[in-house]
Amino acid sequence: QSVLTQPPSASGTPGQRVTISCSGSSSNIGSNTVNWYQHLPGTAPKLLIYNNNQRPSGVPDRFSGSKSGTSASLAISGLQSEDETDYYCATWDDSLNGWVFGGGTKLTVL
Amino acid sequence: EVQLVQSGAEVKKPGESLKISCKGSGYNFNNYWIDWVRQMPGKGLEWMGIIYPDDSDTRYSPSFQGQVTISADKSTSTAYLQWSSLKASDTAMYYCARHGATVVSRADYWGQGTLVTVSS
Repeated sequence: QSVLTQPPSASGTPGQRVTISCSGSSSNIGSNTVNWYQHLPGTAPKLLIYNNNQRPSGVPDRFSGSKSGTSASLAISGLQSEDETDYYCATWDDSLNGWVFGGGTKLTVL
Repeated sequence: EVQLVQSGAEVKKPGESLKISCKGSGYNFNNYWIDWVRQMPGKGLEWMGIIYPDDSDTRYSPSFQGQVTISADKSTSTAYLQWSSLKASDTAMYYCARHGATVVSRADYWGQGTLVTVSS
């Protein structure tokens, strides 16, 4: 069981907006910022969102992040077929004194 | 250009030892935390542990404490993940990633992954 809870799957049609949630607790999301990674298995994960809502250079503004209390969300607008892959949230956990990941969400573009 | 280049795929037998590497370049290796992340077949990402090369300050996930050893060699800008006695359940892809100057900084650059297969 992952410390952070994500839905195992999400889906949408091209052009739609989808959101992926990430639920934690006071010792992780409630106390620290959240990062989101896009990962095609077998390749290097890519940082998509950091510090809850910041995009690294080169990440399209179709991707956005937010955090409220002990939950965070990743939103993808204008869905494209190339967005079909896995997404993970991650944050530092003060109780575990380490990083924790969500279980991952597989996004399907219908 | 920041790069993390990992060592190649390994095929080992249960009980054997193994050390895989992650070589950093394009930045001051000593002053950025480096961590290791496991992905077992068909599963999600799992954080294993993290090291600060400059003073070898190391933190482990409780799930991996005592199971693996993380180290770093400043002279070659290389981080390592090692096992003393592999199990079949260690079969996975292993990634290294660079964090910032603090342990809670984001992982912004990742290695390409090292596939470890443990089979008799």
